Amino acid sequence: DAKTTQPNSMESNEEEPVHLPCNHSTISGTDYIHWYRQLPSQGPEYVIHGLTSNVNNRMASLAIAEDRKSSTLILHRATLRDAAVYYCIPSGGGADGLTFGKGTHLIIQP
Amino acid sequence: KAGVTQTPRYLIKTRGQQVTLSCSPISGHRSVSWYQQTPGQGLQFLFEYFSETQRNKGNFPGRFSGRQFSNSRSEMNVSTLELGDSALYLCASSDGRVNTIYFGEGSWLTVV
Repeated sequence: DAKTTQPNSMESNEEEPVHLPCNHSTISGTDYIHWYRQLPSQGPEYVIHGLTSNVNNRMASLAIAEDRKSSTLILHRATLRDAAVYYCIPSGGGADGLTFGKGTHLIIQP
Repeated sequence: KAGVTQTPRYLIKTRGQQVTLSCSPISGHRSVSWYQQTPGQGLQFLFEYFSETQRNKGNFPGRFSGRQFSNSRSEMNVSTLELGDSALYLCASSDGRVNTIYFGEGSWLTVV
């Protein structure tokens, strides 16, 4: 499994953009980059995933470096509901289980 | 579309007992995976089933087992419970292809 490095915690203000970085320098060529988040007392929630090019959905954007060794999850306008632990997970999917690291604890200030 | 449903949500068991947890995946999903979450070890993969076959297994002792039924519903069983088995057990379902698994809210197990 590819090793990931994420900041332990980040803090942002409500209604401001948030950029959550992740390094995955040992990612294999076929692994997708997944982002999940876990709100307090809930199961993890899918946020976004991508392979090579940048991706957007209603929740966030994912910017993937050209060499795929790093990626950034972008929340365009943070709300208090976005306070959660965010996990960056390279994975081939299918039968492969997701290997969760410690993630980034995102704190949103009102 | 209904999400992943896990039962029971909370339970307390005594050391040495066994426990069975149930998971109903999202309709149409044929893959079910299980995870254990503890404060010390974080989220760890237990096993994954697809069409009633276990395709992958994490690094857990044989006391942890699971199965999947023909309707894709899944159960996991932990025998001879230990205090360290106290955890949040999460079930997730997917269509079995590459991406996007959906988690349930989990079953909180306390072993006393």
